[in-house]
Amino acid sequence: EVQLVQSGAEVKKPGESLKISCKGSGYSLTSYWIGWVRQVPGKGLEWMGIIYPSDSDTTYSPSFQGLVTISADKSIGTAYLQWSSLKSSDTAMYYCATTRGDSGFDHWGQGTLVTVSS
Amino acid sequence: DIQMTQSPSSLSASVGDRVTITCRASQGISNYLAWYQQRPGKVPKLLIYAASTLQSGVPSRFSGSGSGTDFTLTISSLQPEDFATYYCQKYNSAPWTFGQGTKVEIK
Repeated sequence: EVQLVQSGAEVKKPGESLKISCKGSGYSLTSYWIGWVRQVPGKGLEWMGIIYPSDSDTTYSPSFQGLVTISADKSIGTAYLQWSSLKSSDTAMYYCATTRGDSGFDHWGQGTLVTVSS
Repeated sequence: DIQMTQSPSSLSASVGDRVTITCRASQGISNYLAWYQQRPGKVPKLLIYAASTLQSGVPSRFSGSGSGTDFTLTISSLQPEDFATYYCQKYNSAPWTFGQGTKVEIK
């Protein structure tokens, strides 16, 4: 069974850095991409980008390019989303999700709530 | 970038009603279209991919159709657990944009 387990909720101050994680199990890393999706409280889903952990091939949404970094460590089956300088507008739930590339996101992590407040 | 527009943004319906949600792409995306359900406070769930293929385990009252720029999600007989927000998403090329969502509420 495919499972994605995300790191826990974070409370940060503006300007701080942060790296959250998404660990996958129950599937072949060579078969799936991992994507990140943002959901601001009370708002819709926003596609941030996607990575192929086997070779770290990454594509970003233009809306998030340069604002976040997506990475992966294939040896431990984990993908990451990181910020170098958080803003209050980064307050949101962040989901990771897997895809084979031909079916949308078929498995989702439980979400990581990031709160940025002074 | 291709924009995805859902209509309506919200609707009220009763248990047993037939519900149809529309998603329009600003350019053709063939059948690279997925539908998701998100119940309040829950993780999104894939319902349909390739515009009309039902994800394993999803009830058959859900169906999808369309190709190119116009797509629909139909719930043939609305059940209490179907009150949720529904999103379409294109995945033919990056960015894999979501529609803005359609909230299905109880009448």
